[in-house]
Amino acid sequence: DAKTTQPPSMDCAEGRAANLPCNHSTISGNEYVYWYRQIHSQGPQYIIHGLKNNETNEMASLIITEDRKSSTLILPHATLRDTAVYYCIVDNTDKLIFGTGTRLQVFP
Amino acid sequence: GAVVSQHPSRVICKSGTSVKIECRSLDFQATTMFWYRQFPKQSLMLMATSNEGSKATYEQGVEKDKFLINHASLTLSTLTVTSAHPEDSSFYICSAYTGTAMNTEAFFGQGTRLTVV
Repeated sequence: DAKTTQPPSMDCAEGRAANLPCNHSTISGNEYVYWYRQIHSQGPQYIIHGLKNNETNEMASLIITEDRKSSTLILPHATLRDTAVYYCIVDNTDKLIFGTGTRLQVFP
Repeated sequence: GAVVSQHPSRVICKSGTSVKIECRSLDFQATTMFWYRQFPKQSLMLMATSNEGSKATYEQGVEKDKFLINHASLTLSTLTVTSAHPEDSSFYICSAYTGTAMNTEAFFGQGTRLTVV
């Protein structure tokens, strides 16, 4: 079973920041937080991951709370192409178990 | 970046026939690959772990005799859906890591949409 809880859907205006929350209250010390997204009818795409510290790459930023029980994925300037289902996954193995994710709709 | 390719991207087959789906790591070697299935409007469900040179490990509830997995080389894993039925119609996706799984990203194929008629 997935170890994360995400809102089923969110909307965001194009050009604005999209902040996608994820709760993982049962996370253990050696489990990473991964974010993937899936655009309709495609395979998932890696976005970012982290353990304790906040992380940033060319796609997004990941903010992990100090107690590690929740995190937020930030897309700083959402575009229409960012419309997708976003999955937050907590794991320390090679098996990625996907939850239901958040369907992000970016509108003009 | 690393690329994982699936073939075919779409396939339609008659009920009772078998269908083979290929998953290739194009620019890296993968000792382990993963197969997922996704029904419409649902999340990805892990079916099995494909291990190069050894038997696949299936998740609970997945019939190993129905979903045959062969990982004969470090760049190729195949999933064969045997005696397909309409309820096997789904989106099948594979993934692989370029190295050890911890603290790294998985690369996914583009998926294969199987329709059994």
